[in-house]
Amino acid sequence: NAGVTQTPKFRILKIGQSMTLQCTQDMNHNYMYWYRQDPGMGLKLIYYSVGAGITDKGEVPNGYNVSRSTTEDFPLRLELAAPSQTSVYFCASSYSGQGSGANVLTFGAGSRLTVL
Amino acid sequence: AQKITQTQPGMFVQEKEAVTLDCTYDTSDQSYGLFWYKQPSSGEMIFLIYQGSYDEQNATEGRYSLNFQKARKSANLVISASQLGDSAMYFCAMRGSGNTGKLIFGQGTTLQVKP
Repeated sequence: NAGVTQTPKFRILKIGQSMTLQCTQDMNHNYMYWYRQDPGMGLKLIYYSVGAGITDKGEVPNGYNVSRSTTEDFPLRLELAAPSQTSVYFCASSYSGQGSGANVLTFGAGSRLTVL
Repeated sequence: AQKITQTQPGMFVQEKEAVTLDCTYDTSDQSYGLFWYKQPSSGEMIFLIYQGSYDEQNATEGRYSLNFQKARKSANLVISASQLGDSAMYFCAMRGSGNTGKLIFGQGTTLQVKP
C-alpha cells in the first residue's frame, strides 16, 4: 500500500501564479485533510472532507480551494500565490468508526512550497 | 473553542534516560481523543500513541506512554530509555466531538537526545 501520496514534493512559485497540490490515498479512508506547517510551528488545518462531494473550511482557508470528486483524491488549489503561502503542506486521511485505528491521521510526505 | 498547549519549545535528555513532554488541552467536549505525533528532521509525521477521553487506563505503545490526567486536562508523553533516533519534533493533538475526525495541533516540542 502506498498510503497517502502527495505531489509535487517541492515547488517554487512566483507571486500571482496558481497551482494545484495533488493528494491521493489508497486506504479507502472517508476523511481527508490539508494542513500547512510554517517553520518551527504546529500544523494548521486548511480544508477537510468527510466524503466524496463534501468539503469544509478549516482554520486557515483563505487563498485556497479544494474539491473531492472521488474517495481517493483531494487536490488543493492555490489561486494567486502570495509569499504568506510559503509553507510545507501535508495531506492526511483517516477513517471514522470504532476501533483503535479510527481517526488516526495518516500523513503524506509533505509538499514544500516557496512563493517568491 | 478547543486548544492544545505545549509549553516546552525544546528539551534535552541523556541517552537511555526517560523524558516527559508536556501537553495541556482545553475543551468543553465530553468525548475527545488525544494523539502524539513525531516529526523527525526528514519531515514526515509519524503517529505514536492515542488516548480516548473515556479510556480508564493510560495508553502505552512500546517505549511510549501517555500520562493522562483528565481533571488537570493534561496528556503528557513519556518516552522511556531514550535513543538517539528519538531526536525529533513532537506534537500533541486533539480530536473533538463531531464526526469529522479533524485534529488541532500544539506548537510542538523539539527533543534532542544526547549520547
